[in-house]
Amino acid sequence: AQSVTQLGSHVSVSEGALVLLRCNYSSSVPPYLFWYVQYPNQGLQLLLKYTSAATLVKGINGFEAEFKKSETSFHLTKPSAHMSDAAEYFCAVWGQGGSEKLVFGKGTKLTVNP
Amino acid sequence: EAGVVQSPRYKIIEKKQPVAFWCNPISGHNTLYWYRQNLGQGPELLIRYENEEAVDDSQLPKDRFSAERLKGVDSTLKIQPAELGDSAVYLCASSSGGARNTGELFFGEGSRLTVL
Repeated sequence: AQSVTQLGSHVSVSEGALVLLRCNYSSSVPPYLFWYVQYPNQGLQLLLKYTSAATLVKGINGFEAEFKKSETSFHLTKPSAHMSDAAEYFCAVWGQGGSEKLVFGKGTKLTVNP
Repeated sequence: EAGVVQSPRYKIIEKKQPVAFWCNPISGHNTLYWYRQNLGQGPELLIRYENEEAVDDSQLPKDRFSAERLKGVDSTLKIQPAELGDSAVYLCASSSGGARNTGELFFGEGSRLTVL
C-alpha cells in the first residue's frame, strides 16, 4: 500500500526566506504524488501534482516540487516566503490498482514570521 | 462553477445524539469522497462513491456511521449515536472519476463536529 511521511509537523520561516517542506513516499508502483494546502477553517486546495511526466513540477503561488525516485522524495519548495503562505500543507499519494483514493501525510504547519 | 458545498459548517452536540452532514459535489463529478480529519492529522478516507454505489467503505465504522448518495449526486453522512471521539472535521470531496481521475480532488470547506 502506498503511504507518505512528512518530516516536521511545524516549520517556521521568515518572510522572504526559502520554504522547504519535506515528504517521502512509499509505493510499489510509480506513484502519483500531490501537495495540498489548507488555510484555517477551509478545505484542501491542490497546489501541484506529479503524474510521471516532468520530475520538476510547478504549482500555484510560486511553489514547486521535485520528484526524486532515488530518494523516494517529493519535497515542496518556494524561493521566497510570503505572509499569505502561512497554512497547513499536506503531501499525498494516489492509491492505485483498485484503491482509488488519496492517502495523506499528517501535514506540516507553516508559520511565516515578519 | 460552484465548488463542493457542505453543510452545516459547524455542529456541536452532546454524546449519544445523532448528527448528519450534507454534501453537494461539483456538477458532473461522479466520484464522491467523505474524509475525516482529526485535529493535527491528515484527512482519512471514510467512504468513496462511484455514482450511487459505495465502492470503498472499508474504513467506515458501520456500527454508528452510515452514508448514502441517492441519485448519484448529493450525499449525506450520518453518525448515530455520536461519541466523544467523533469530534473532527468531516470533509467531502469530488472528482471526475474514471480513467481521467489521477487524484485531483476538489474539497468542500468541511463540517466541524464537536461532541460534548
